[in-house]
Amino acid sequence: QLQLQESGPGLVKPSETLSLTCRVSNDYISNNYFYWIWIRQAPGKGLEWIGSIHNTGVTQYSPSLWGRASMSIDMSKDEVSLRLTSVTAADTGLYFCACGPRPRADRWGRGTHVTVSS
Amino acid sequence: IVLTQSPDTLSLSPGERAILSCRASQNIASNYLVWYQQKLGQAPRLLFYDAGRRAAGVPDRFSGSGSGTDFTLIINSLEPEDFGVFYCQQYGTSIPTFGGGTTVEMK
Repeated sequence: QLQLQESGPGLVKPSETLSLTCRVSNDYISNNYFYWIWIRQAPGKGLEWIGSIHNTGVTQYSPSLWGRASMSIDMSKDEVSLRLTSVTAADTGLYFCACGPRPRADRWGRGTHVTVSS
Repeated sequence: IVLTQSPDTLSLSPGERAILSCRASQNIASNYLVWYQQKLGQAPRLLFYDAGRRAAGVPDRFSGSGSGTDFTLIINSLEPEDFGVFYCQQYGTSIPTFGGGTTVEMK
């Protein structure tokens, strides 16, 4: 059973870099079938696509993030990572890790809360 | 592609039918359109992919349809567990996007 578990610092200061990880269960991370996806949700708002990475290394990021996002896969740790630079209060929200055979979220983690505040 | 969902909110009673719309600003290639349901305090879950293909475990009172720019999610005979926020998302372009969501609330 594929399970995803996000983790992160919880609180980040403005202008700093946010780093999140998504732990992938049962060696699914080595499966070339999947896109690994990050999605976020600001408090009381809708879903926002951040980007995706495929095991082939191909990445895609939402242009609304203005080049601040980057993703990577560490197969030795069964982890997918998200880095978001120069954060502001607008980056506060619930961050989800997800995956699917295409850029759609067939499976979701429970999410990790991020607050940007000094 | 901009996705516009309507209505913003549906207030219905259990047993009633819900009809949700998702309209795209341009044709979605291969009808790569999905529907998710999100309940309060939970992660969303996939309901339909490729517009009309039901995900595993989704009851058949849910149906997804549409093509091109107009897509519909119908829930026949609402059950108490069906209420929540529903989002559509397209992946027909290199930049996937979400609709703003429709809240189905209990009247």
